[in-house]
Amino acid sequence: TQLLEQSPQFLSIQEGENLTVYCNSSSVFSSLQWYRQEPGEGPVLLVTVVTGGEVKKLKRLTFQFGDARKDSSLHITAAQPGDTGLYLCAGPETRSQGNLIFGKGTKLSVKP
Amino acid sequence: DAGVIQSPRHEVTEMGQEVTLRCKPISGHDYLFWYRQTMMRGLELLIYFNNNVPIDDSGMPEDRFSAKMPNASFSTLKIQPSEPRDSAVYFCASSLVSGVGYTFGSGTRLTVV
Repeated sequence: TQLLEQSPQFLSIQEGENLTVYCNSSSVFSSLQWYRQEPGEGPVLLVTVVTGGEVKKLKRLTFQFGDARKDSSLHITAAQPGDTGLYLCAGPETRSQGNLIFGKGTKLSVKP
Repeated sequence: DAGVIQSPRHEVTEMGQEVTLRCKPISGHDYLFWYRQTMMRGLELLIYFNNNVPIDDSGMPEDRFSAKMPNASFSTLKIQPSEPRDSAVYFCASSLVSGVGYTFGSGTRLTVV
């Protein structure tokens, strides 16, 4: 069974701080996606990384896919209260590509 | 586009009752997915459809759960009879391509008492 482990589980920081959250697996994934979920809403896709070693930037967010395609990280520079939410990584299951496997997420709180 | 639309947003029902959750995917998306989210288990795939045909229902917990997609613009997830352990947030999602870039609805929060 392919699993995605996310760390830390919870993170509470002050506005302006930098942070990194991690998504790890013992399995190779063809791609990994990052979603952000706000309370009472569904997850919203932020980015998809496909190539090992790939780095993508979305404003203050930097996403990296590991060289071996088993892990990914999300770095946020100068966090703002609007970044608060649950960050989920996800990857397609090898056995059934339609099954997008999700990690349990990192719950980020950015205080003003 | 209005996105993926789910109804109802909240449902409270008594144990043993039938519950029907509804979903309208984004027009043109060939894939539709039903997920369940709980604190303990996170997001889990229940079933997904391609062009209205069920492809993988291995995540459906048991026979009490059933899902249909009678046409490209509508799907239902039914639980009969419902049990307290079914309490969770149920999400519908759709996509153009399998395994990439899902658009989720706002979810239905189900509470079975």
